[in-house]
Amino acid sequence: AQSVTQPDIHITVSEGASLELRCNYSYGATPYLFWYVQSPGQGLQLLLKYFSGDTLVQGIKGFEAEFKRSQSSFNLRKPSVHWSDAAEYFCALGQDSNYQLIWGAGTKLIIKP
Amino acid sequence: GAGVSQSPRYKVAKRGQDVALRCDPISGHVSLFWYQQALGQGPEFLTYFQNEAQLDKSGLPSDRFFAERPEGSVSTLKIQRTQQEDSAVYLCASSADGNTEAFFGQGTRLTVV
Repeated sequence: AQSVTQPDIHITVSEGASLELRCNYSYGATPYLFWYVQSPGQGLQLLLKYFSGDTLVQGIKGFEAEFKRSQSSFNLRKPSVHWSDAAEYFCALGQDSNYQLIWGAGTKLIIKP
Repeated sequence: GAGVSQSPRYKVAKRGQDVALRCDPISGHVSLFWYQQALGQGPEFLTYFQNEAQLDKSGLPSDRFFAERPEGSVSTLKIQRTQQEDSAVYLCASSADGNTEAFFGQGTRLTVV
């Protein structure tokens, strides 16, 4: 069965520190993978996506993610977080493009001053 | 409009009441998606339109849920005889076509009391 697991419900990081949010997936073929961010009162915003090709994907706001087929992972990283990065982050999997995305439960990022 | 607009932002319904949730997608966007997001969870796919055609409604949880997009633009999600388990945020997203980035609205938070 297809699934997405985000093992961390909450993560607390100091401002300026590096960040890695974990995402593991279960899928029988090469998936389409997405990271979205949901800020309070805002709609979900796409940070980056992987369809094929280079396994290191650059996104907006300084985020990147690396697709590792052998580990079934698509972890999100940022070298230095800002207070404005505090939000909930969702990893999602699609069998093609946007259609019928399967979502993880989300990781809430808390930034310590 | 500039983005996907959903109304109302908040809806409180008494159990058994019918509700209608509206989504105004980005002008010209062909694809439209509805998702349900329960508290503390990621979104779950409900249904998908391509223009006015509802191509997939496999995610609708029961026959009390009905969605339409009669002219290929505005969409309405209707829930009949609401139950407490229907309480969630209902998200609408649109994309230029099924393969390009989906833009999400802010959602409608439905509370059934």
